[in-house]
Parts: sequence; C-alpha cells; structure tokens
Amino acid sequence: QKEVEQDPGPLSVPEGAIVSLNCTYSNSAFQYFMWYRQYSRKGPELLMYTYSSGNKEDGRFTAQVDKSSKYISLFIRDSQPSDSATYLCAPGSGGSYIPTFGRGTSLIVHP
Amino acid sequence: DVKVTQSSRYLVKRTGEKVFLECVQDMDHENMFWYRQDPGLGLRLIYFSYDVKMKEKGDIPEGYSVSREKKERFSLILESASTNQTSMYLCASSLITLNTEAFFGQGTRLTVV
Repeated sequence: QKEVEQDPGPLSVPEGAIVSLNCTYSNSAFQYFMWYRQYSRKGPELLMYTYSSGNKEDGRFTAQVDKSSKYISLFIRDSQPSDSATYLCAPGSGGSYIPTFGRGTSLIVHP
Repeated sequence: DVKVTQSSRYLVKRTGEKVFLECVQDMDHENMFWYRQDPGLGLRLIYFSYDVKMKEKGDIPEGYSVSREKKERFSLILESASTNQTSMYLCASSLITLNTEAFFGQGTRLTVV
C-alpha cells in the first residue's frame, strides 16, 4: 500500500459546482498536511497548509483533515475554469524533510 | 519573488547520450530535490540533497546521478539516456526546517528518441 492514495481522475465539473478532492494516507505519524496545485506544463505550487485535524479556510478553498480516519479533503466552492489543474496532497511528519506526494487529481471545470 | 529555475523547458536527446539537467535556486535553501512525473504515477523522488556535496537516493535512482557543488545548484545526470527516461523532470528546493513548503521549478520535458 502506498503511503498516500489519491484518485487521479479526471474529475470534470461545471462552473460554479462545489468540488471535493480527497486523499487517504497510512502513516499515523503524519502531522501536517499540504495541498499543491499544478497547472498544465508548470511546477506545483503550495495552495493550502494545515496542521493536525480540523478545517482551514482560505477564500473559496477549505482544507479538512480527519486524523482518526487518515482522510484529507480539499473543497472548492463556486469552482471556476481557472481552477482547472492537478491537485496534489502532501502529508508530512515532523521527522522528515522529504515531502510525500499523492499522485494528484486532475480537475477540469468547464464553462 | 522566490525562484527555482530549470535550464531547459523542453529537451530531445538520443538513446545513449549523457544528459545534464540543471537547476538553480535563489532562496539560499539547504534542501534540493529531483523528481520525475509521469501520468498515473505522480511525483517520484529520484535524488535528494540536504547540503553541498551531500546526496541521498530517492525511490527511483537507477540510471541517474546528481551533483551539488554549490548550494544554489543541483544537477541531474542521465549517464546513458534510454527511452524509458522520457518524462517530465521537476526540481524543487526547501529550507532545512521541518514541515516546510517545497518550491518547484517549471519542469523540463525530456524526450529520449
């Protein structure tokens, strides 16, 4: 079993939809959780950063962590065509400098 | 504005050639990484360096080597390029601090023919 599982998609939604992107992980030592966004032919960029369980909101984006079930979610409200990208979850522990990435989910928001 | 710069966006090389991919960061980061990204497989770590002249193997080091002679520069070397090394290569850097963001370059799309 990979440390981080993420459905590669693609996930296709109409503009304005609420999007839910998810990851599961197996390493209970993971304490902090990042989401990266990668546009086509670009490198990934950090989108959201959360520590431990709970929710964090930033504009139209909400990151949610449930450590008891080892489940990470990213919600996008009022999705826009400019949100079309690949979203990678990246949980990490306090003991490693090396980020661990999920495979990424490709999101397509069509007008 | 922080920056990780990869020397080429697109590269076409022949089988058997020795290939150099260069990466430079201007953030004084200690850590530097080389990943390859393939459809359905995500990001896979090739090599990692936490200091000048230091390197650690990642998940898929076979067929690759690296060089870090200066803190800001991390080179990936394909000793004898093969068609199965056709991929997107991404360089990243980060501070030595734990739980920190990785900054990525724009990627090099390498095609080996």
